[in-house]
Amino acid sequence: SQTIHQWPATLVQPVGSPLSLECTVEGTSNPNLYWYRQAAGRGLQLLFYSVGIGQISSEVPQNLSASRPQDRQFILSSKKLLLSDSGFYLCAGTSGLDNEQFFGPGTRLTVL
Amino acid sequence: GESVGLHLPTLSVQEGDNSIINCAYSNSASDYFIWYKQESGKGPQFIIDIRSNMDKRQGQRVTVLLNKTVKHLSLQIAATQPGDSAVYFCAETAPDSWGKLQFGSGTQVVVTP
Repeated sequence: SQTIHQWPATLVQPVGSPLSLECTVEGTSNPNLYWYRQAAGRGLQLLFYSVGIGQISSEVPQNLSASRPQDRQFILSSKKLLLSDSGFYLCAGTSGLDNEQFFGPGTRLTVL
Repeated sequence: GESVGLHLPTLSVQEGDNSIINCAYSNSASDYFIWYKQESGKGPQFIIDIRSNMDKRQGQRVTVLLNKTVKHLSLQIAATQPGDSAVYFCAETAPDSWGKLQFGSGTQVVVTP
């Protein structure tokens, strides 16, 4: 079965610092991968999705970027964090013909 | 734009009773729907899904009902347990959308003894 790994689990960063969150997938190949952000007590907002290596689509304009250097690796980055980048970041993946998305455990980012 | 929303933000249920969580969607092209459970500080956990060619699907203690006529989705939890306390999200996706999910805002379910 598919497993999504994310790290770190929590992160506290100062405003203006860079960011790199990593997501890796086990148990499947050629997955579609997604980055979501969730504000406290709110639903999930899709940030980026990728259908293959090097292919990134952005859903909303923002201070973040994503990259997919390997089939089962998805990275969320920022050159300079803003206070508004704080939130709970979730990576998800699908595979095959099924659209069922599996989620990772998330990264809690606090920008101070 | 198209959206998925929930009718009730908080649902309080007595242990042992059945829970019903409702969801309305507006994209008539959506053909796949999922219910997720999210516990505090964790990622969403898949509960059950349903495709638009079905109107009912059952899992272990859970049933999802889909009414395409009124664009309504519901999740029924039988014999609610304390471990069912969480936020529940419905999500939908349409064909040719690369599996991108549109999530509702969530319903907090609180199970009381």
